[in-house]
Amino acid sequence: DQQVKQNSPSLSVQEGRISILNCDYTNSMFDYFLWYKKYPAEGPTFLISISSIKDKNEDGRFTVFLNKSAKHLSLHIVPSQPGDSAVYFCAARGYALNFGKGTSLLVTP
Amino acid sequence: DAGITQSPRHKVTETGTPVTLRCHQTENHRYMYWYRQDPGHGLRLIHYSYGVKDTDKGEVSDGYSVSRSKTEDFLLTLESATSSQTSVYFCAIRDSEMNTEAFFGQGTRLTVV
Repeated sequence: DQQVKQNSPSLSVQEGRISILNCDYTNSMFDYFLWYKKYPAEGPTFLISISSIKDKNEDGRFTVFLNKSAKHLSLHIVPSQPGDSAVYFCAARGYALNFGKGTSLLVTP
Repeated sequence: DAGITQSPRHKVTETGTPVTLRCHQTENHRYMYWYRQDPGHGLRLIHYSYGVKDTDKGEVSDGYSVSRSKTEDFLLTLESATSSQTSVYFCAIRDSEMNTEAFFGQGTRLTVV
């Protein structure tokens, strides 16, 4: 049973606008949540994380929001750029990282 | 970039043959992981290691075994390869319990024919 869910397989956004990627989880014992970015033929690269005791973490254009009561987190990218086009994985830390299925983001000029 | 090398990067093998994939790190990180990535499934944990000779199963461990005889090397073995094991395999490392992020290798594309 998948503990981390990304229900949107794909998302298309215009350059300069906001991209919002969503993630839901089921296990309240997860203590950290992470976002990874993946380009084709490359390994995933770490983007940003948030502790379960916080509700927001910001790093440049990337902000992650955590709503513990809803077991939901989201990644906001503002402004979106064509180079942001990639697959984004949400992950939750247990004894290892548990990943969602990913959301493919396309940022169009 | 974290010092992680996966070998081989690509392999084609026949059904029923044993296959070993290697993950080598130069970071002296304690934790090492093997994941597989498949369309529609994201990244799924196969096995992980929390130290030399200390390994445990992940969610999709059937048909796979691992060994870690040195800190720097984590081997994944497909005992008898099947077509369902055609996938992209990623190794990841993490420094300690206090660190959150894991760093991934470039991946090994395995095709079982």
